[in-house]
Amino acid sequence: EAGVVQSPRYKIIEKKQPVAFWCNPISGHNTLYWYRQNLGQGPELLIRYENEEAVDDSQLPKDRFSAERLKGVDSTLKIQPAELGDSAVYLCATSIGSGANVLTFGAGSRLTVL
Amino acid sequence: QKEVEQNSGPLSVPEGAIASLNCTYSDRGSQSFFWYRQYSGKSPELIMSIYSNGDKEDGRFTAQLNKASQYVSLLIRDSQPSDSATYLCAGYSGGYQKVTFGTGTKLQVIP
Repeated sequence: EAGVVQSPRYKIIEKKQPVAFWCNPISGHNTLYWYRQNLGQGPELLIRYENEEAVDDSQLPKDRFSAERLKGVDSTLKIQPAELGDSAVYLCATSIGSGANVLTFGAGSRLTVL
Repeated sequence: QKEVEQNSGPLSVPEGAIASLNCTYSDRGSQSFFWYRQYSGKSPELIMSIYSNGDKEDGRFTAQLNKASQYVSLLIRDSQPSDSATYLCAGYSGGYQKVTFGTGTKLQVIP
């Protein structure tokens, strides 16, 4: 069984440029999370999806960040325009259902904003 | 106050010793707790979950939960150099319906 697939693994952009990250969940995992992890910190939740519905986006900076999960499968996280402080690893995780379930993480997308 | 707190370390232990990693949480509504291991440059992977007070053992790992004291710990027996990683404590709050991570404790096992 394939795990959570993310791309790109690495992205270097200049500030004010747009960037997008893609996540393909484990088959049957209807809950999908986007986390941001800064160096030396734990993952911080940006948005949680139950199928195609964003049920918790309270921590998503909506002025520059957007996300979508079409058809309740793949998801895309976009930043436009990127700022220096957005440099981080963006982790996608999925689980079977919501609640106290185990999260399976993808390899992450490391963003560097110059 | 962060919802889940950990000492960032590094915690250094000699090979073969017991490593003790600790975590406290502020939300009394937190029901379930998880320990994830994260190697440098890699993503977190689950090593233990615990849902009720007491101890839970899995091989060399023992998770301990004390809800009255709002305290979670992870013991690693017979520590190996391959255990060197950052250990993330996470708690699930039914009220907020989300998993919150601590900042992680870096463990170094010295050969």
